[in-house]
Amino acid sequence: GESVGLHLPTLSVQEGDNSIINCAYSNSASDYFIWYKQESGKGPQFIIDIRSNMDKRQGQRVTVLLNKTVKHLSLQIAATQPGDSAVYFCAENKREETSYDKVIFGPGTSLSVIP
Amino acid sequence: NAGVMQNPRHLVRRRGQEARLRCSPMKGHSHVYWYRQLPEEGLKFMVYLQKENIIDESGMPKERFSAEFPKEGPSILRIQQVVRGDSAAYFCASSLRLAGEETQYFGPGTRLLVL
Repeated sequence: GESVGLHLPTLSVQEGDNSIINCAYSNSASDYFIWYKQESGKGPQFIIDIRSNMDKRQGQRVTVLLNKTVKHLSLQIAATQPGDSAVYFCAENKREETSYDKVIFGPGTSLSVIP
Repeated sequence: NAGVMQNPRHLVRRRGQEARLRCSPMKGHSHVYWYRQLPEEGLKFMVYLQKENIIDESGMPKERFSAEFPKEGPSILRIQQVVRGDSAAYFCASSLRLAGEETQYFGPGTRLLVL
């Protein structure tokens, strides 16, 4: 079935290094993608989004790259800090036949920052 | 501008009791979504509501679960005759759902424990 999935379930990164979290999606009709960060015991927090008419979008220390050819999404975190330790979810806005856009979440990647 | 609010944050119920979870969307948001999250897992869509209407309940079990979003007041997710398998974190999200404003913003969640 159609789904959003992540390549790596866990990722450990040294403080100060850059982090790259990858995500694959299978629905070519999806036109909006979002990254969320979820810290332990909290709700998901919006980080950054990108539309399918873009290849790259930058925020504060984060960059999202979209490769529509291979249906791949990545989140890059520059100069990773201990506060970046969390589970990161990619989400896909899946346009249904009824024109209702449903957001489908991937399983998540746990990022651990080593001081 | 307050974010999405959920209460209670923690709820303990015995098997057979009813659980009632409340969600107040962000100011100005009229679209509400409920998700369920088991430990170490991703978010599973349950139901999508607009004011006084259920738009998509495809992710919600047919038995024992119901949701509403009345004209006045918060959205309610109700679980009747709870069983241990209902123990999970339940997150509510809201959005504007105007063109270009599709991002869902999440509340802190209600953690339900069924004894």
